[in-house]
Amino acid sequence: GENVEQHPSTLSVQEGDSAVIKCTYSDSASNYFPWYKQELGKGPQLIIDIRSNVGEKKDQRIAVTLNKTAKHFSLHITETQPEDSAVYFCAASKGSNYQLIWGAGTKLIIKP
Amino acid sequence: DVKVTQSSRYLVKRTGEKVFLECVQDMDHENMFWYRQDPGLGLRLIYFSYDVKMKEKGDIPEGYSVSREKKERFSLILESASTNQTSMYLCASTTRQDYGYTFGSGTRLTVV
Repeated sequence: GENVEQHPSTLSVQEGDSAVIKCTYSDSASNYFPWYKQELGKGPQLIIDIRSNVGEKKDQRIAVTLNKTAKHFSLHITETQPEDSAVYFCAASKGSNYQLIWGAGTKLIIKP
Repeated sequence: DVKVTQSSRYLVKRTGEKVFLECVQDMDHENMFWYRQDPGLGLRLIYFSYDVKMKEKGDIPEGYSVSREKKERFSLILESASTNQTSMYLCASTTRQDYGYTFGSGTRLTVV
């Protein structure tokens, strides 16, 4: 069946450095790719998304890139700050009724 | 501020009990979802509903049922709780035109 693979499962970076999280999807019909951030004790929150007709999207310190040919997309966070510490999930759209297929999550740790 | 509210943050139930998890959204969203979240497994879809009284099975529906009698409320029912249903349960909603999910804060259920 369709799946989304997410790597790494844990990422530790020095404050101020960049962080990159990668996802690969299997369903060629997927056309929407969101990224969610989950802070401790909270539900996931949408931070950025990209549609299949766009190769890159940026919002301040975060950016997402999409390679449709290779079926992978990545989240880039620059100038990391302590508040970026969280679990990040990627997802890909599936079929109708607005379902998403989720990656397993990446725990991002920002070291002071 | 738009919101998805889950009735309990923490629940402890005994094996064999019938358990109700409630979710209410105030955004007039058509689609509602129940996920369970376990470490290393990401978000797994239990059931979803795209309209009142409509429901569809997700990837792991066994041992669960749902009810959607009103548009704003989506209930998850564990007919006979078992220890392997100990998990974090997340409710989400979205409109029929949008993949952007809004999540509740989650219910951490422990079955003893």
